[in-house]
This record gives sequence, C-alpha cells and structure tokens, in this order.
Amino acid sequence: RKEVEQDPGPFNVPEGATVAFNCTYSNSASQSFFWYRQDCRKEPKLLMSVYSSGNEDGRFTAQLNRASQYISLLIRDSKLSDSATYLCVVRRAGNQFYFGTGTSLTVIP
Amino acid sequence: SAVISQKPSRDICQRGTSLTIQCQVDSQVTMMFWYRQQPGQSLTLIATANQGSEATYESGFVIDKFPISRPNLTFSTLTVSNMSPEDSSIYLCSVGTGSYNEQFFGPGTRLTVL
Repeated sequence: RKEVEQDPGPFNVPEGATVAFNCTYSNSASQSFFWYRQDCRKEPKLLMSVYSSGNEDGRFTAQLNRASQYISLLIRDSKLSDSATYLCVVRRAGNQFYFGTGTSLTVIP
Repeated sequence: SAVISQKPSRDICQRGTSLTIQCQVDSQVTMMFWYRQQPGQSLTLIATANQGSEATYESGFVIDKFPISRPNLTFSTLTVSNMSPEDSSIYLCSVGTGSYNEQFFGPGTRLTVL
C-alpha cells in the first residue's frame, strides 16, 4: 500500500464551482500534513499546512481526520488561476516526507 | 520560507557524461533534500544532504551514481554520474524549515540525456 494516495483526477470544473480533494495516508504515526500546488513545468509550492483543528485561508479549507487517516482540501469559488496539480504531502518522524502523485484540476471558463 | 536557487536551470547532456547541479539557499538551513521528478510523475526523494557528513540515500539510489556534497548550511550539490537517457528528469532541491518543517523547493533543473 502506498504511503499517500490521491485521486489523480483530472477534475474539470467550471469557474465559481466548489471542488474537494481527498488524500489518504497509511501510517497512523504521521505527524504533519501539507497541500502543495504545482503548476506545469514549475516546482511545487506550499499551499497550506494542515492543522489538527482544520484551517482556512481565503477560498481554501484544509481538514485532517486522524481517525480515518485522510486529509482534504476544499476550494470554493474556483478561479481559472487555480488550475494546477495539487500534491498531498505527509511527514513522519525523522523528517521523512511522502508525496502523493497529485490531483489535476482544470477550471474551465 | 526560504529563497532557493538552482544552477543550471536546464541542460542537455551526452550519454556517459556527468552533470553537477548546485543549490543555494538564502539562509542557513539544517535540512536539504534532493528529489527527482519524471514527466507526469510525483516527486521521488533521492537523498538527504547532511552538512558535515555523508548524504543519506533512499532505496534505489547510490552514492556512486548520485554523489552529493553539503559543505555548509546554505549550499549543496548533486552530481548525476555516467548519465543515461533514463536519467532525463527534473531534479529539485528543497529545504525544510518552519514550525512544521515545511519543505520549500528550488526551481528545478531540467536534464535531458541524449
């Protein structure tokens, strides 16, 4: 079983829509969780760290469910500029990072 | 966050040659990592670059093929040795910093081996 699993998509949504991505992780001892955004031919960039209580940054909301071992990212009022690949990243003890394969999002005018 | 630069940004190399990629950070960081990302794939960790000691390599990666230097807390190099077309990829360095040791990535080096 992979350490981190994501639905690769692609998700094609109209502008203004709300879209949610889920990511599951296999190791219950995982300590920190992140969402990264990667544009085509660019490096990954940190979008949000995911806190135990959940957190929101503008149109983006991240949730963590430790019991079910998944994290989610909700994007409200999608913009064309949100089109990218979203990577789920999990950190375990010893600073071991595990990357999901990414979920592709295209926002359509 | 940290500002990270990589050189070269891209290169086209002949089979059997070696390429050294440089990674420079604008502040001192403890953790530096080297990743590879092949087209359409996610990131694969090659090794953790340790300052003052040998790098820690992940399964499937060896020092002879990917020697790494880390002479100080702001700089590291990755060499891709005796290259073959299978080494064509994007190579990224990253640093771990912040409250949760978030990783920040350099812009990457796009390598094509002919």
